[in-house]
Amino acid sequence: LAKTTQPISMDSYEGQEVNITCSHNNIATNDYITWYQQFPSQGPRFIIQGYKTKVTNEVASLFIPADRKSSTLSLPRVSLSDTAVYYCLVGDIASNTGKLIFGQGTTLQVKP
Amino acid sequence: DVKVTQSSRYLVKRTGEKVFLECVQDMDHENMFWYRQDPGLGLRLIYFSYDVKMKEKGDIPEGYSVSREKKERFSLILESASTNQTSMYLCATVVRDRPYGYTFGSGTRLTVV
Repeated sequence: LAKTTQPISMDSYEGQEVNITCSHNNIATNDYITWYQQFPSQGPRFIIQGYKTKVTNEVASLFIPADRKSSTLSLPRVSLSDTAVYYCLVGDIASNTGKLIFGQGTTLQVKP
Repeated sequence: DVKVTQSSRYLVKRTGEKVFLECVQDMDHENMFWYRQDPGLGLRLIYFSYDVKMKEKGDIPEGYSVSREKKERFSLILESASTNQTSMYLCATVVRDRPYGYTFGSGTRLTVV
C-alpha cells in the first residue's frame, strides 16, 4: 500500500486559492488518488479522484504529474466553510479488500 | 447515493460494559470497514469485512470484535469497554463504481467512563 505524505497544517484567507500537495513515491500502476474532506464530528466526505493528468469537478481540481509520484488538490477561492481536514489516499479501490491507509491529513484553516 | 447509517451519534458507557456499535448500508456492497479516529493519530482501521461472516483484522483489533450476519449490517463490539476506547468510531463501505472510494457514516462518539 502506497504511503502518503502531506503537510500537517495550512492557513489561508477567504477568496484565495489553496493548493495541498501529497507525495506518494511508491504508487502502484493500479492505484487511484482520492481526496477526502472531513469536518469536526463528521465522517470524511469524497471530494475528487484521479488517475493521471488533471481532473476538475464543481468543488476542486486535482493535478497529477506524469510520474504520478505526487498530486495537488486545488481549492479555488476558499471560504470559511472550507476549514476542514483534507486526506490524500492512494490505493486500488477495486482490489478485493479496498483497504486504504489514511494518513494524518492536512488541517486547513481559512481565516476571514 | 449510498447511505451508511450508524445507529448512534453519541454514546456514554461504563468501564467493563459490552458495547455494540451498529452500521447499516443500503447498497448491497460487499466490503465494510470500522475505523476509530483520535486526535493526532488520524483514522486507524480496526476491522473490515469483505462478505457475510467474513472478517479481517485491521491495524488495531485488540479489544474489539465484529459481526457480519447480513450483508447490509456490520457491527463493532467492545467486549469489555475501557477508557482508552473513548474515541470517534467511523463505519465505511466501498463504492465500486467510478469514482471508486469510501462512503462513511456520520460517526459515533463513544465515551467510556
